[in-house]
Amino acid sequence: QKEVEQDPGPLSVPEGAIVSLNCTYSNSAFQYFMWYRQYSRKGPELLMYTYSSGNKEDGRFTAQVDKSSKYISLFIRDSQPSDSATYLCAMRSRGFKTIFGAGTRLFVKA
Amino acid sequence: GAVVSQHPSWVICKSGTSVKIECRSLDFQATTMFWYRQFPKQSLMLMATSNEGSKATYEQGVEKDKFLINHASLTLSTLTVTSAHPEDSSFYICSAVNVEGVGEAFFGQGTRLTVV
Repeated sequence: QKEVEQDPGPLSVPEGAIVSLNCTYSNSAFQYFMWYRQYSRKGPELLMYTYSSGNKEDGRFTAQVDKSSKYISLFIRDSQPSDSATYLCAMRSRGFKTIFGAGTRLFVKA
Repeated sequence: GAVVSQHPSWVICKSGTSVKIECRSLDFQATTMFWYRQFPKQSLMLMATSNEGSKATYEQGVEKDKFLINHASLTLSTLTVTSAHPEDSSFYICSAVNVEGVGEAFFGQGTRLTVV
């Protein structure tokens, strides 16, 4: 079993839809949870950073962490074609070694 | 967010030659940097952890003599692919950890290596 599971998609939605991206994990020691966005042939860009459980909102993006279920989510409201990219969840424990999910490819159609 | 610069962004080299890729943290000190490899439509595969002033820690299956890592300063780590072969062609990405912040990792823009 992988430490972090993420559905690779692809996920295709119409413009303006609410997008829900999810990851599950098995290591209860993970404390820090991140979401990255990666455009084709570019390095990943940090979108959201959350410590422990709870919600965090930044503009159209909301990150949720449920440590009891070992489940994290990223919601994108009012999705735009420019949101089309691969979204990677990532997490780590006390150390700095970060474990990544496989990435979900998202297509937002105009 | 913090800036991590990776150079070159792409390189083509002949089989048997060596290629050096640089990763710099421009506005913070990074005692720890990571090197990843990414194949098309796949996620990031961690190759090694680069620690300033000490030897790198390699993941299982990664040849340390082939992928030489040097982290000589708090802002610079280099990855040298030695005696490159076509199967080494890939997208290589570094990340640097901002230990002065909350420990988030910032990525370089990646280097596309093609070995012909």
